[in-house]
Amino acid sequence: TQLLEQSPQFLSIQEGENLTVYCNSSSVFSSLQWYRQEPGEGPVLLVTVVTGGEVKKLKRLTFQFGDARKDSSLHITAAQPGDTGLYLCAGGRTGGFKTIFGAGTRLFVKA
Amino acid sequence: GAVVSQHPSRVICKSGTSVKIECRSLDFQATTMFWYRQFPKQSLMLMATSNEGSKATYEQGVEKDKFLINHASLTLSTLTVTSAHPEDSSFYICSARDRKGAREQFFGPGTRLTVL
Repeated sequence: TQLLEQSPQFLSIQEGENLTVYCNSSSVFSSLQWYRQEPGEGPVLLVTVVTGGEVKKLKRLTFQFGDARKDSSLHITAAQPGDTGLYLCAGGRTGGFKTIFGAGTRLFVKA
Repeated sequence: GAVVSQHPSRVICKSGTSVKIECRSLDFQATTMFWYRQFPKQSLMLMATSNEGSKATYEQGVEKDKFLINHASLTLSTLTVTSAHPEDSSFYICSARDRKGAREQFFGPGTRLTVL
């Protein structure tokens, strides 16, 4: 059972389009992180969200943490080929030690 | 951000040999390091949690005698794949937390293991 469900699993879009990736759970998380991984490399941390309803922006990327801290979204505006990669959400549960990873969303942006 | 290195980045070995992968935190002390395995086009699978000065905690289904983990210092953890077989071929990634209770993990660049 995947505690963090990511959707879509795969997304192929044209340069300039907008997209949203979702990370959902039935469990409450004390925080959620978003990572981006390029082929043959390790994941790179993009952002951490902690407070329910929190919105963080990183250039063309907007991250939101659900009010109930059970879900998160990543919105990319005007996608570029350089955004291509595997996007992973990960979370820590209150009182837990391990980080739980979603299955990932593979994004391909065509020039 | 905190920097984690891995060595080697790529290794090819014959079946039956053992391979050691090093994971180092370069600019911070890591009391806890994690070892993951990643199959092509899939997410990360946690293999074990490595704590400095104590035995690693392995996830269910991961053979501790097959994947030996040593966390000798606050900046170094090693994963040894013993008597490697072709099915052990994978991308192995380590990560570390830079302080106790930290939410984020910082990942190494990964090691591609190919067992012939």
